[in-house]
Amino acid sequence: RKEVEQDPGPFNVPEGATVAFNCTYSNSASQSFFWYRQDCRKEPKLLMSVYSSGNEDGRFTAQLNRASQYISLLIRDSKLSDSATYLCVVERGDYKLSFGAGTTVTVRA
Amino acid sequence: GAGVSQSPSNKVTEKGKDVELRCDPISGHTALYWYRQSLGQGLEFLIYFQGNSAPDKSGLPSDRFSAERTGGSVSTLTIQRTQQEDSAVYLCASDLSGGNTGELFFGEGSRLTVL
Repeated sequence: RKEVEQDPGPFNVPEGATVAFNCTYSNSASQSFFWYRQDCRKEPKLLMSVYSSGNEDGRFTAQLNRASQYISLLIRDSKLSDSATYLCVVERGDYKLSFGAGTTVTVRA
Repeated sequence: GAGVSQSPSNKVTEKGKDVELRCDPISGHTALYWYRQSLGQGLEFLIYFQGNSAPDKSGLPSDRFSAERTGGSVSTLTIQRTQQEDSAVYLCASDLSGGNTGELFFGEGSRLTVL
């Protein structure tokens, strides 16, 4: 079983729509969780950390469910510029971050 | 520039040749990572440096892969006798605190194609 699993998508949504997707992780001892964004043929960049209580950053909301070992990301009022691959990232402990293969989101006009 | 710099950005080589990939991290970042990303796959951890030492080399796929870091700065990833399955984007990242913040700063990667 992969350490981090994501639905690859793609999620094709119109501008202004809400899109949400999850990832699951296998290591129940994981303590820290993140979402990264990767544009086509570019490097990944940190989008936001995921806190136990859930957190928002503008139009982005991240939630963590430790009992079921999944993390979610919701994007409200989608913009064309939100088109990207979203990588779920779980800290394995110490220094290692495990990356999911990514969920592709395409926002159309 | 202020970001992580990698070279070459693209490398095409013939099977069996050796290649060297270079990473210049953000100044002052003590932690340096190499990852590999194949098409449709997640980032695969290769090796981690804290300063010049590599406490974890567990991700290196075979003994054809090696890496070093000198002066607590520049790192070189060497792949000997390249194989077609080595084709991927090799990403280098650095951070200040060895992963505690979760924010790794990535370079744009070196795209390796082995013919």
